[in-house]
Amino acid sequence: DAGVTQSPTHLIKTRGQQVTLRCSPKSGHDTVSWYQQALGQGPQFIFQYYEEEERQRGNFPDRFSGHQFPNYSSELNVNALLLGDSALYLCASSLAPGEYNEQFFGPGTRLTVL
Amino acid sequence: DQQVKQNSPSLSVQEGRISILNCDYTNSMFDYFLWYKKYPAEGPTFLISISSIKDKNEDGRFTVFLNKSAKHLSLHIVPSQPGDSAVYFCAASVGPYSGSARQLTFGSGTQLTVLP
Repeated sequence: DAGVTQSPTHLIKTRGQQVTLRCSPKSGHDTVSWYQQALGQGPQFIFQYYEEEERQRGNFPDRFSGHQFPNYSSELNVNALLLGDSALYLCASSLAPGEYNEQFFGPGTRLTVL
Repeated sequence: DQQVKQNSPSLSVQEGRISILNCDYTNSMFDYFLWYKKYPAEGPTFLISISSIKDKNEDGRFTVFLNKSAKHLSLHIVPSQPGDSAVYFCAASVGPYSGSARQLTFGSGTQLTVLP
């Protein structure tokens, strides 16, 4: 079992550009959540996808958008990048329903905005 | 506004002794709490959790205590081992369950170093 995988590992962009990050959930999982972890901080919830729909959203602007595909993989898109978007972006997968089902995290994508 | 706070950025403990990591929260709607461990270049991994209807949950060397009146939880690791050296995150979730995975609110983490 490959677990949660994310690509790319690292990414460097300049202000104003757009970026797409990708996540493949753990085998058998159907729910994907995205988190942003700034340096020295804990992960902050961006949004969650289940059944190809955005189900929950944290306090992030519309520049952050996502998608879930029929195979349950997911993309996170960020438009008009700002310096403050530099962070580690984590993807977590789980199986719904199941209130206490464990969420498994990928290793993350390190985004640097110059 | 940080709803989950870990006020100790770092903690050093001797191998074999007890490690106690603390976490405070402000949102009284939190009803489920978790601890995650994170090694460098890896994603956080789930360690232990506790529901707000309990005050203690134990799993091997790890015990989580919840004090709802004080809005405080702690993770005890006994005995501590060098392999426990990692960043530990406290996380919390607001009920009721939405039908998909719970949205987690994390603290800023505590770097635990277990000295041989």
